[in-house]
Amino acid sequence: GENVEQHPSTLSVQEGDSAVIKCTYSDSASNYFPWYKQELGKGPQLIIDIRSNVGEKKDQRIAVTLNKTAKHFSLHITETQPEDSAVYFCAASTPDYKLSFGAGTTVTVRA
Amino acid sequence: DAGITQSPRHKVTETGTPVTLRCHQTENHRYMYWYRQDPGHGLRLIHYSYGVKDTDKGEVSDGYSVSRSKTEDFLLTLESATSSQTSVYFCAIKEAGNSPLHFGNGTRLTVT
Repeated sequence: GENVEQHPSTLSVQEGDSAVIKCTYSDSASNYFPWYKQELGKGPQLIIDIRSNVGEKKDQRIAVTLNKTAKHFSLHITETQPEDSAVYFCAASTPDYKLSFGAGTTVTVRA
Repeated sequence: DAGITQSPRHKVTETGTPVTLRCHQTENHRYMYWYRQDPGHGLRLIHYSYGVKDTDKGEVSDGYSVSRSKTEDFLLTLESATSSQTSVYFCAIKEAGNSPLHFGNGTRLTVT
C-alpha cells in the first residue's frame, strides 16, 4: 500500500518567518494530496489540498507544491503567526480513494 | 466540525470488556471512517463504510468491528479491549469518493 513519510517531526520558527513541511509518497498512482491542521483536543481540519494535475496551489499564507516525478509534496506557511502553532499532517490518496497519512509535524511559532 | 458528533469524548475501561464508540453525522454523507491516532503513527484506518450495511476493513482492523444501520450513525466496537487499543479514535466523513475528508473531535479511550 501507500507509504507517506513526513519531515521534520517538530519545527520551531520565529513569528513572521516561514515554515516548510515535506512529505514523500511511494505509490506513483496517488493523485490527491490533502494537508490537515490539528489543534489540541480537536480533530484534524483540512487546510489545503492539491490534485496530481496541478503543481502548486496557494491560499493566502499557505501554499502546497507537488513534484510527481520525485513523488514529494510540501506545505509552505509564510509570515507565521502564533495561531499557526499546531500539528500538521500530510496525506496521499490512491485512485481507489484510500488515504494514507504522514506521522505529523508539530509546529511551534515563537513570539 | 462538519456536523460530526463522537460519543463519548472520553472513556476509561478495563482490559477484556467490550466498548462501543459512536459517530453521528448530520451531513447525509455516504462515506464514514474510523481512524486511530497514536504518537509517531499519524492516523491509521480501522474500518470504513461506503453505505448503509456496507463496510470494509482498513489497515489496523484486528480486534475491531463496525456497524452502520443508518446513514447517520457508524459504530465502532472493541470486542474485548486490550491495552494496545488505548488511543484517540477519530470518525471522519466524506460526501463522495474524491471529496475531502472531514473529521470529528475524537474519543480518547484508555484501557487499563
